[in-house]
Amino acid sequence: AQKVTQAQTEISVVEKEDVTLDCVYETRDTTYYLFWYKQPPSGELVFLIRRNSFDEQNEISGRYSWNFQKSTSSFNFTITASQVVDSAVYFCALTTGNQFYFGTGTSLTVIP
Amino acid sequence: EPEVTQTPSHQVTQMGQEVILRCVPISNHLYFYWYRQILGQKVEFLVSFYNNEISEKSEIFDDQFSVERPDGSNFTLKIRSTKLEDSAMYFCASQILADTIYFGEGSWLTVV
Repeated sequence: AQKVTQAQTEISVVEKEDVTLDCVYETRDTTYYLFWYKQPPSGELVFLIRRNSFDEQNEISGRYSWNFQKSTSSFNFTITASQVVDSAVYFCALTTGNQFYFGTGTSLTVIP
Repeated sequence: EPEVTQTPSHQVTQMGQEVILRCVPISNHLYFYWYRQILGQKVEFLVSFYNNEISEKSEIFDDQFSVERPDGSNFTLKIRSTKLEDSAMYFCASQILADTIYFGEGSWLTVV
């Protein structure tokens, strides 16, 4: 069975601080994809990144970076120099085929 | 950029009434989904649809739910007799092969 765990329910940081959102996943499949989605207060789900299980190279996109470590089954997300607009719920998700398995989400509040 | 569109954005219905939520997936996508998010909770899988039939469904997707793609473009979710616990945000999503899943902006359903 697949499972995604986001142990951090809520995080608050002051603007310009760095913050890391943790994601741990479980799967027996050797081929899988990992995702991060952002859900702002307006409610939509915004795709941020996709990673396949064969690509452990970390990725940086502007202030966002992702650290994928198969050895610890983790796919953590770091926001550097956080901004108020980063305030949202962030979901980590896993798919091994058609169905996506979401974590429970981490609610990030960036305080100005 | 192509997007998944959903209507209505918000619907209030009385308990026991039938509700139809509509979705127009991205045109060249092959897999279609409905997900549900009860307020403050994680996103939950309902059903996947491929080649004009249900490919997978969750325990949530009981006999009160049905999906269809009547005209090759719209993808609908019908709830036959709504219950209070059906109140949630319903997300439609589409995907091309084993690729990123793109979500619509969601339809808020409030059952009173």
